[in-house]
Amino acid sequence: AQKVTQAQTEISVVEKEDVTLDCVYETRDTTYYLFWYKQPPSGELVFLIRRNSFDEQNEISGRYSWNFQKSTSSFNFTITASQVVDSAVYFCALSEASSGGSNYKLTFGKGTLLTVNP
Amino acid sequence: EPEVTQTPSHQVTQMGQEVILRCVPISNHLYFYWYRQILGQKVEFLVSFYNNEISEKSEIFDDQFSVERPDGSNFTLKIRSTKLEDSAMYFCASSLTYTEAFFGQGTRLTVV
Repeated sequence: AQKVTQAQTEISVVEKEDVTLDCVYETRDTTYYLFWYKQPPSGELVFLIRRNSFDEQNEISGRYSWNFQKSTSSFNFTITASQVVDSAVYFCALSEASSGGSNYKLTFGKGTLLTVNP
Repeated sequence: EPEVTQTPSHQVTQMGQEVILRCVPISNHLYFYWYRQILGQKVEFLVSFYNNEISEKSEIFDDQFSVERPDGSNFTLKIRSTKLEDSAMYFCASSLTYTEAFFGQGTRLTVV
């Protein structure tokens, strides 16, 4: 069974600090997909990134970067020079490819509430 | 930009009543999902729908729940007899394949 653990329940930083959100996953599949979603106070779920299990290349998008390490089953998310608008709950999620193409459901972690103070 | 649309944004219902939550997925997407998020908790998978049938459902998705795609554009979640513990935010999502799922803005269901 798939599982996603986000050990950090809440993180509070001051604006311009860098912050890393941790995500550890468990799966028996060799092919799987990892995601990060942002949930701002307004409540919607905003897609940030998808990573395939066969692509361990790290990615940077502006102030956001992601570090995928299969050896430790981790997919961590770093925000550089955080801003107040980054305040949100961030969810890591996993999708397995074992359903024969009929289902790509997401298993979410419990989320990390990030508060960026001015 | 295409988006998933959910209606209503908020619904209040009495315990025991039936509710139907509506969703319009992105038009060329093939996979459709309902998720639930009880206030302050994680997002939980309810059901996936592909090729006009349920492909997987969670333990939460018992006989009180049903889904339909009646006309090729709408995707609905029906709860037959609501309970207090059904109060939650319900998210509809759609995806093309294993690519990212796009979520609607959610329907907040309050059962009183």
